[in-house]
Amino acid sequence: TQLLEQSPQFLSIQEGENLTVYCNSSSVFSSLQWYRQEPGEGPVLLVTVVTGGEVKKLKRLTFQFGDARKDSSLHITAAQPGDTGLYLCAGGSELSFGAGTTVTVRA
Amino acid sequence: GAGVSQTPSNKVTEKGKYVELRCDPISGHTALYWYRQSLGQGPEFLIYFQGTGAADDSGLPNDRFFAVRPEGSVSTLKIQRTERGDSAVYLCASSYLNTGELFFGEGSRLTVL
Repeated sequence: TQLLEQSPQFLSIQEGENLTVYCNSSSVFSSLQWYRQEPGEGPVLLVTVVTGGEVKKLKRLTFQFGDARKDSSLHITAAQPGDTGLYLCAGGSELSFGAGTTVTVRA
Repeated sequence: GAGVSQTPSNKVTEKGKYVELRCDPISGHTALYWYRQSLGQGPEFLIYFQGTGAADDSGLPNDRFFAVRPEGSVSTLKIQRTERGDSAVYLCASSYLNTGELFFGEGSRLTVL
């Protein structure tokens, strides 16, 4: 099993601030996925990154895949309360998930 | 509905009892995954089906856990002699292709007293 470590575990910020969460591994992944999960619901896919060094943007969210395809980051610009949730990265043949980063955006 | 459906949404049982959790995937999705999630943690992989066969069951914690998908559609996760440590949300997801986008159900919350 390829392990994914996410940091920080918790992040609480004020509306309008920026934030970055990280997903790291010692293994190389052919692709990584980012999901967001809200309480009482299943995770929902945000993006899949495939190419080393790739940057993808989804409105205020920017995703980056490391050159060596061992790590990824998610940056949120001008966070809003609606961005609150558990952010998960996943990869590997059985789609293993990291432990997630719980993001709270205060109004 | 068009999404992944899981039943029951909540199940409370006593230690030592047998439990079945059902997953009805999106029509046409050949891949089906079961995960277990504890509060504040990421989903923990249990088993993955491609069609009717279990392609990878390396995440099942022990032989009390078993899953089937006899017709390549609906899947049932079976837990024998439940223990308090089995308490968690059990998530099912389906995908058109292996490692493609996973579509998750809302989960079945299992509480073992």
